[in-house]
Amino acid sequence: EAQVTQNPRYLITVTGKKLTVTCSQNMNHEYMSWYRQDPGLGLRQIYYSMNVEVTDKGDVPEGYKVSRKEKRNFPLILESPSPNQTSLYFCASSLAPPNTEAFFGQGTRLTVV
Amino acid sequence: GNSVTQMEGPVTLSEEAFLTINCTYTATGYPSLFWYVQYPGEGLQLLLKATKADDKGSNKGFEATYRKETTSFHLEKGSVQVSDSAVYFCALRDRNSGNTPLVFGKGTRLSVIA
Repeated sequence: EAQVTQNPRYLITVTGKKLTVTCSQNMNHEYMSWYRQDPGLGLRQIYYSMNVEVTDKGDVPEGYKVSRKEKRNFPLILESPSPNQTSLYFCASSLAPPNTEAFFGQGTRLTVV
Repeated sequence: GNSVTQMEGPVTLSEEAFLTINCTYTATGYPSLFWYVQYPGEGLQLLLKATKADDKGSNKGFEATYRKETTSFHLEKGSVQVSDSAVYFCALRDRNSGNTPLVFGKGTRLSVIA
């Protein structure tokens, strides 16, 4: 089954404790991205990757890192999480844009206390 | 820059009512347009899309027509069901930039009551 898998689904952590949210897709997609969803703000892009070893900042990259060592994986790293990073995070993948649809993971609800 | 504006929610309808969710966009280039749906506790799923002017996207009884002259992509359904209760997002993807992220509206929550 074609899918984007994120882990964990839920995470509560403390300020400053490094964490990684994993994302994996099995569709051989070149393009992957991370979004955060906040009430009243919709979804905003954090980082994206157009292929292996090619990553770049989206609209709200501060406090996040990513890597793309393999085509299928695109982890999101929070080196020192802060409470303002409490949010719902989605990973998405697609074939090369622009007309192609994006496939989304189930989401990771992160709470930083 | 690119942006999407969709009507504020929440929208509450009775079963079998007609649904319209308005969406207008601003884009520097010639975008592709999408509607995504998010059911409770799930990720976003593509509902329909249109890639050029006057195209009509349709799926599961939902329709939207790409109107370049009014920069709009309104979502419609003739008869909603309780199972349509979800959050709906209008989005665009510009063809003319290297990074072509999806730019989303803020979402419209739809509740359908029996």
